[in-house]
Amino acid sequence: DVKVTQSSRYLVKRTGEKVFLECVQDMDHENMFWYRQDPGLGLRLIYFSYDVKMKEKGDIPEGYSVSREKKERFSLILESASTNQTSMYLCASSFQRGTLGNEQFFGPGTRLTVL
Amino acid sequence: DQQVKQNSPSLSVQEGRISILNCDYTNSMFDYFLWYKKYPAEGPTFLISISSIKDKNEDGRFTVFLNKSAKHLSLHIVPSQPGDSAVYFCAGETGTASKLTFGTGTRLQVTL
Repeated sequence: DVKVTQSSRYLVKRTGEKVFLECVQDMDHENMFWYRQDPGLGLRLIYFSYDVKMKEKGDIPEGYSVSREKKERFSLILESASTNQTSMYLCASSFQRGTLGNEQFFGPGTRLTVL
Repeated sequence: DQQVKQNSPSLSVQEGRISILNCDYTNSMFDYFLWYKKYPAEGPTFLISISSIKDKNEDGRFTVFLNKSAKHLSLHIVPSQPGDSAVYFCAGETGTASKLTFGTGTRLQVTL
């Protein structure tokens, strides 16, 4: 079974802090994604990566950056956390770019609260 | 600009009846559509998908219908079970980017 794990289930940070959210997948997937989920807005893509050291902006990249130094690990970085970044953050991975109907496998999510 | 819309935020259905969840889209470039199910405190899990060249795909109790001319898809669950109570998201995939655009979700409650 594919497993996507996220470093924390719950996180509370102060405004202005630098925040790291870590995601690891164990199925050698090429693609990895970061979303945030907010009530009434669904899942919105922040950043994604097709390969090590590659990254592409999603629909709402402002205020975020990412790092992919190893194939299995994709980190989301909030350089200076703000209260409007309080949200549920979901990491996902999928097998291979170029395959249609490519199912994404999600981690359990990290509920981040910025005070 | 919401490219994928789920206009019903919630739906309540009796156990054993049919649940119909709807999804509309505006981007005619979507090649595939996927449905995900999400329980509280868990990540979404894949349910069923359909290619844009098909009009129906069935998997057990779950059937997805696609009406390309109306830019509309629906997920039918028959018969509905209490364990189906969750939030359902539809998503569109463009080309081979493997990138999904999600709708806002519909919360389904199946009552006894």
